[in-house]
Amino acid sequence: EDKVVQSPLSLVVHEGDTVTLNCSYEVTNFRSLLWYKQEKKAPTFLFMLTSSGIEKKSGRLSSILDKKELFSILNITATQTGDSAVYLCAPALAGTASKLTFGTGTRLQVTL
Amino acid sequence: GAGVSQSPSNKVTEKGKDVELRCDPISGHTALYWYRQRLGQGLEFLIYFQGNSAPDKSGLPSDRFSAERTGESVSTLTIQRTQQEDSAVYLCASSLGRNYNSPLHFGNGTRLTVT
Repeated sequence: EDKVVQSPLSLVVHEGDTVTLNCSYEVTNFRSLLWYKQEKKAPTFLFMLTSSGIEKKSGRLSSILDKKELFSILNITATQTGDSAVYLCAPALAGTASKLTFGTGTRLQVTL
Repeated sequence: GAGVSQSPSNKVTEKGKDVELRCDPISGHTALYWYRQRLGQGLEFLIYFQGNSAPDKSGLPSDRFSAERTGESVSTLTIQRTQQEDSAVYLCASSLGRNYNSPLHFGNGTRLTVT
């Protein structure tokens, strides 16, 4: 059975701190790893990672994948209160079984 | 449209009634997914449509739940004889499909409350 574990489950930091969120997975037929940010409603897409060791960046957010050790990290530098959200990761599968199985997420709260 | 559209945005229903939730995917997206999210919980996969292939219904929690999709357009999720434990946000997402390594795009969901 596919398994996705995110850690920590929740995190409270001060504005300006740097955070690292973790996602480990055990799936068959891995294709890519996706990160989403969920505030009040719909999860919004952040990154898709397909290759190991290649960092993807978007502003203060960055992410990297390790396909050998089956994990990914999401870094947020100089956090802001607007970064407060639940961050979800999901490994996408190849072939016919291309549904996404999401982790339970990391709830990040950034305080002033 | 520009994004995935779901309706209604909120639905309150009495226990035992049937409800129908609607999803309009992004035009051209062949894959469509339904997820359920209970309060404070993660996303729970319900069903997945890919083009004209048979849907993956492996996540439907009971036979009270069913979903249809006409071609590559609108999908409806039907819950019969609703129970209080069905209360959740029901999220729909679409993507270009399995032949493309593309992300899912989510709608804003339907918040269902069963009283």
